[in-house]
Amino acid sequence: AQSVAQPEDQVNVAEGNPLTVKCTYSVSGNPYLFWYVQYPNRGLQFLLKYITGDNLVKGSYGFEAEFNKSQTSFHLKKPSALVSDSALYFCAVRGRLTGGGNKLTFGTGTQLKVEL
Amino acid sequence: DGGITQSPKYLFRKEGQNVTLSCEQNLNHDAMYWYRQDPGQGLRLIYYSQIVNDFQKGDIAEGYSVSREKKESFPLTVTSAQKNPTAFYLCASSKEAQGDTYEQYFGPGTRLTVT
Repeated sequence: AQSVAQPEDQVNVAEGNPLTVKCTYSVSGNPYLFWYVQYPNRGLQFLLKYITGDNLVKGSYGFEAEFNKSQTSFHLKKPSALVSDSALYFCAVRGRLTGGGNKLTFGTGTQLKVEL
Repeated sequence: DGGITQSPKYLFRKEGQNVTLSCEQNLNHDAMYWYRQDPGQGLRLIYYSQIVNDFQKGDIAEGYSVSREKKESFPLTVTSAQKNPTAFYLCASSKEAQGDTYEQYFGPGTRLTVT
């Protein structure tokens, strides 16, 4: 069974500074990894995914993530944080469902707070 | 949230009543999913459907039921058998193609409160 760990419940960063939101995973077979963002009382928005190829994946709103197979990590990064980036971030890993289809297993989420 | 609508946004029910949450998508996606979100627990899969007239239980299906009579619609019924129904419910959809991995798109969610 696959699993995802987001070790930090909250990350605080000053606007303009780089940010990192950590994610480690466990899955049998090839890992397919995703990052989503959620604003209060809203659904999740897709940011980026890693399927294969380049270990550095670029996504929406200036976010990127680095896939590290040896450390089983997929940390989300942004070079310069904005106050508007403050939200709840979820890492997810894809696994196969018994009946076919794709299942996403989510981490518990990391609250990012960007302050002036 | 574009392409997937959930209604209503907020729903209040008395304990013992069944309630149905609506989910509609116009993305022409084959697969649809229902998740439950509780604080500090991430998202947990309730039911999913890969094709019309077919659906499968997820990790926490007890006390829930679904139907998939149309490609664009996947309503979720929270029955009185669900012991702790108060939660934020999210519907999602995705393309389904063998050998490819597509991201899931989420609706805006329905917050259900049962008292």
